Amino acid sequence: GAGVSQSPSNKVTEKGKDVELRCDPISGHTALYWYRQSLGQGLEFLIYFQGNSAPDKSGLPSDRFSAERTGGSVSTLTIQRTQQEDSAVYLCASSLAGAGVSGYGYTFGSGTRLTVV
Amino acid sequence: GIQVEQSPPDLILQEGANSTLRCNFSDSVNNLQWFHQNPWGQLINLFYIPSGTKQNGRLSATTVATERYSLLYISSSQTTDSGVYFCAVDGRGSTLGRLYFGRGTQLTVWP
Repeated sequence: GAGVSQSPSNKVTEKGKDVELRCDPISGHTALYWYRQSLGQGLEFLIYFQGNSAPDKSGLPSDRFSAERTGGSVSTLTIQRTQQEDSAVYLCASSLAGAGVSGYGYTFGSGTRLTVV
Repeated sequence: GIQVEQSPPDLILQEGANSTLRCNFSDSVNNLQWFHQNPWGQLINLFYIPSGTKQNGRLSATTVATERYSLLYISSSQTTDSGVYFCAVDGRGSTLGRLYFGRGTQLTVWP
């Protein structure tokens, strides 16, 4: 597609429920990134995919968080047993080439605003 | 990880004024990007600028990699320039795949 698409744009869930957030990167972009942004804060790295593999998962805050990417395209971020501190905007980005390759900036999606009540 | 510091944290301007935003980083980096986050939360890539100077309309950016800083210049500011400006640099080694973001500069342009 023309841009990075994320769904849903807003999600309100009850504490303890599981949620799935989806990211459709720009077609042909091999690298995909998940970040989250809490209210008034900067961006916190979660995970990075190169193709379908995740060389760096170290940003995931706990084992309740997991992510996968299939077909080198769509990625899903799953949060199990959601907690109130999970409330944030979850942002996905993609780039044409992966880390360490010069010349390629990131394109971010509009994000999913997650509210845990 | 790499430390990224941005200044000033807040900036209020009258429409038409010029401004300079600064980004300092703690280690040598391969890549540096400037982003604008508009009031609706959308992050837009402004510049990919590991070194040198680039210009795009009223905006320009300069990175002096050897001295570990980058500057974003906004000339003849408009109300649509309002939002948060982030600087981000690539990690190295085991953190090669991640961007380290500064805390941003909140810019407000009044008509």
